[in-house]
Amino acid sequence: EPEVTQTPSHQVTQMGQEVILRCVPISNHLYFYWYRQILGQKVEFLVSFYNNEISEKSEIFDDQFSVERPDGSNFTLKIRSTKLEDSAMYFCASSETGASQPQHFGDGTRLSIL
Amino acid sequence: GQQVMQIPQYQHVQEGEDFTTYCNSSTTLSNIQWYKQRPGGHPVFLIQLVKSGEVKKQKRLTFQFGEAKKNSSLHITATQTTDVGTYFCAGREAGGSYIPTFGRGTSLIVHP
Repeated sequence: EPEVTQTPSHQVTQMGQEVILRCVPISNHLYFYWYRQILGQKVEFLVSFYNNEISEKSEIFDDQFSVERPDGSNFTLKIRSTKLEDSAMYFCASSETGASQPQHFGDGTRLSIL
Repeated sequence: GQQVMQIPQYQHVQEGEDFTTYCNSSTTLSNIQWYKQRPGGHPVFLIQLVKSGEVKKQKRLTFQFGEAKKNSSLHITATQTTDVGTYFCAGREAGGSYIPTFGRGTSLIVHP
């Protein structure tokens, strides 16, 4: 069964540095998402992406964050000037059509800010 | 904004006992999805409910969508250790954002 793949599985970064989290959505899916899950808490929506542009974003997704689809397969989340509170699991997901369809999640990237 | 609440936060059961988690939305929903996240894993889609009063079954799991489309429940009959994990509901507000709002989840611990 096709999967969403994310790299790296774990990223350790010094506070203030920039990180790029990478995702390869399922190939025939059109909608892509980033979510964040702080340890032991709920899954929080960050941003959705369709047709090479952001379709929705949450209050969390401020100027510190950006997303990009640099080629036909990768979908990236960039976090600038990282803070301690950015430490979390970041999940990428994709769906075939809209968000009302089942979302398929990757295994996540655990981001640790020191 | 829309809030989705889930109770209980944790539930310990003995293997073989039943388990239910409840999801309540502050607004009417167009649909609700349920996901399961194993410890250390990622959310995995289980089911989507769309119609008022809808009931769907997957083996020992029964999902219900309330008549008013503001609440939902997941019931597991005769739990097994493989049922361990956190169960999240995610509801999409009727007439609102296309993005579902996740509840905090209910963590199920099954004791053998």
